[in-house]
Amino acid sequence: GEDVEQSLFLSVREGDSSVINCTYTDSSSTYLYWYKQEPGAGLQLLTYIFSNMDMKQDQRLTVLLNKKDKHLSLRIADTQTGDSAIYFCAEGSYGGSQGNLIFGKGTKLSVKP
Amino acid sequence: EAQVTQNPRYLITVTGKKLTVTCSQNMNHEYMSWYRQDPGLGLRQIYYSMNVEVTDKGDVPEGYKVSRKEKRNFPLILESPSPNQTSLYFCASSVGARTEAFFGQGTRLTVV
Repeated sequence: GEDVEQSLFLSVREGDSSVINCTYTDSSSTYLYWYKQEPGAGLQLLTYIFSNMDMKQDQRLTVLLNKKDKHLSLRIADTQTGDSAIYFCAEGSYGGSQGNLIFGKGTKLSVKP
Repeated sequence: EAQVTQNPRYLITVTGKKLTVTCSQNMNHEYMSWYRQDPGLGLRQIYYSMNVEVTDKGDVPEGYKVSRKEKRNFPLILESPSPNQTSLYFCASSVGARTEAFFGQGTRLTVV
């Protein structure tokens, strides 16, 4: 079946950039999502990118998509302690597609002061 | 405010005692689903519903039931909870099965 993979842990120092990577297998994906889960909370949509885009920037967040390699990354510039959370990558699509939104297992980002 | 509301947030129960976790959304979404989150396993889908009176099994449905009598509500029922159902549960809703999902705050269930 379709799959989304991401590394489980990432540790960075405050002020550095964080890069969280994700690979997916479904070539019909239209949207790629990044969700953030803070401790004790539910998942919240952080950002997303359409599959016909290569890059999307939103303040400190940069999403890069390599559709040929089915590789997605989330870069957080000037990482802060408040960025410590679990980040989930997910792939989906619109328009009568079969199946469900597919999530990766999540990458736990730890930010050291 | 658009939201998905789950209750209770925390629940400790004993093996075999039936329980229901409620989920309600105010976005008129057709698609709703339940996930459980366990360390190292990520999110695993338990059940989903494409619309009222339409439900189907996800990846880990054993030991769970759901119902969708109204569009806004999608309760998760554990008829006879067991310790291996101790987990963090999330309800989610979306326009479609593979579109942006909105999550509830989670229910931390402990079965002793």
